[in-house]
This record gives sequence, C-alpha cells and structure tokens, in this order.
Amino acid sequence: DAGVTQSPTHLIKTRGQHVTLRCSPISGHKSVSWYQQVLGQGPQFIFQYYEKEERGRGNFPDRFSARQFPNYSSELNVNALLLGDSALYLCASSSLPPRQLNTEAFFGQGTRLTVV
Amino acid sequence: GENVEQHPSTLSVQEGDSAVIKCTYSDSASNYFPWYKQELGKGPQLIIDIRSNVGEKKDQRIAVTLNKTAKHFSLHITETQPEDSAVYFCAPMNYGGSQGNLIFGKGTKLSVKP
Repeated sequence: DAGVTQSPTHLIKTRGQHVTLRCSPISGHKSVSWYQQVLGQGPQFIFQYYEKEERGRGNFPDRFSARQFPNYSSELNVNALLLGDSALYLCASSSLPPRQLNTEAFFGQGTRLTVV
Repeated sequence: GENVEQHPSTLSVQEGDSAVIKCTYSDSASNYFPWYKQELGKGPQLIIDIRSNVGEKKDQRIAVTLNKTAKHFSLHITETQPEDSAVYFCAPMNYGGSQGNLIFGKGTKLSVKP
C-alpha cells in the first residue's frame, strides 16, 4: 500500500505569490494534519482535518488555509508568501478521529518550499 | 500551552555504544509520549511510544521510559548502528485536549560513528 504522498516535492516561489500544496493520505485514513518544519526545528502544527471538517488549527496567520476533499485528500494554501514561509511542509494521516488514543500519525516526505 | 525541551541537541556516539535522549514537557495532562525518527529527506517516522499508565516500554534495541511526576520521558538506544544516525523528536500529546495535535521538541541529531 502507498504511504502518504505529497506533491510537489520541491517548489520555489517569489515573495507575494500564493502556493497550493497537496496531500493524499493512506488509503482508508480520514484524518489529515499539516505541519510546518523550519530548518533545524521540530514540526509545528498548522491544521487538522477529519471527515472534511477542520478539527484543529495552530498558531498561524490567516494567510494559511486548508481544505479536505470527499476522497480525504487535502490541500494547504498559503497566500502572500513571505521569506519566512520557507520550510518543509509535512502532511500526516491517521485512521481514527482526532483526540483518540491508539491513532498513529503517518507522515509523508514533505514539500520543500523556498520563497525568494 | 505545552512547552517541550529535548536534550541534548546533538549526540555523537561510537557504533555499539548506547544513546539516551531526554524530553521534558510542561503540560501535566499529557498522556501520550511518542518518539519520532527523521532521516534526511524524509518525514518523521514513529519508532516507539508510551501511554501514561506505563512506565517503560521496550522494542528490541530501543526503549522509552516515562517519569510523569517529573514530567520527562527518555529514549534509549542500545548497541547503536550507523543506520540509527538521524534526528530524533519527542512529541508529547494530550489526547482529548483542545487540539489533540503533536507538539514536537526541537530535535536531537544523533550521529553514530562506525
């Protein structure tokens, strides 16, 4: 079975542009979370979706938005890109709803976004 | 909110030696304590976890110990091998909390010298 897949793997954008990152969870997983990992730091929580509904949001500006589709894939959108948005964006999928024990988060390889 | 600290930030050991990484957290409601391994160019991968009703868990060469009173848990790797070289993250979590998301430490870069 395929793991969590993210596209694209690498991306270069200019300040002020917008970007859309995509994630396909493991088959059968209905929960998708997004994390931002700045170089040399641990991943930081951005959003969590379950059954197409937002179930959690981290401390990120409104320039960041996301959605989940009926097939449970997800998109992360970032508007008005800043240099500080340069990071590895990770998607994780889980089989159970949020806040349930025994639900392991499986991470994709991430999308490396560089803003110049 | 949860404050997570990992020590050390870098660790270099000789192949065959043991490695210990400690994670300190602030939220006494945390009840799930995982360790993730991230290799270069890859996403984090869960290697071991422990629930709050258990003090220690072992899986072959890796183990996790939990001290809820002192609010810290540790990753132990014995008989280290070069393929153990990676960045390790702790991510304590409060299932049932307001967000239910993982809060990662800053990571420990482990280097195992052959």
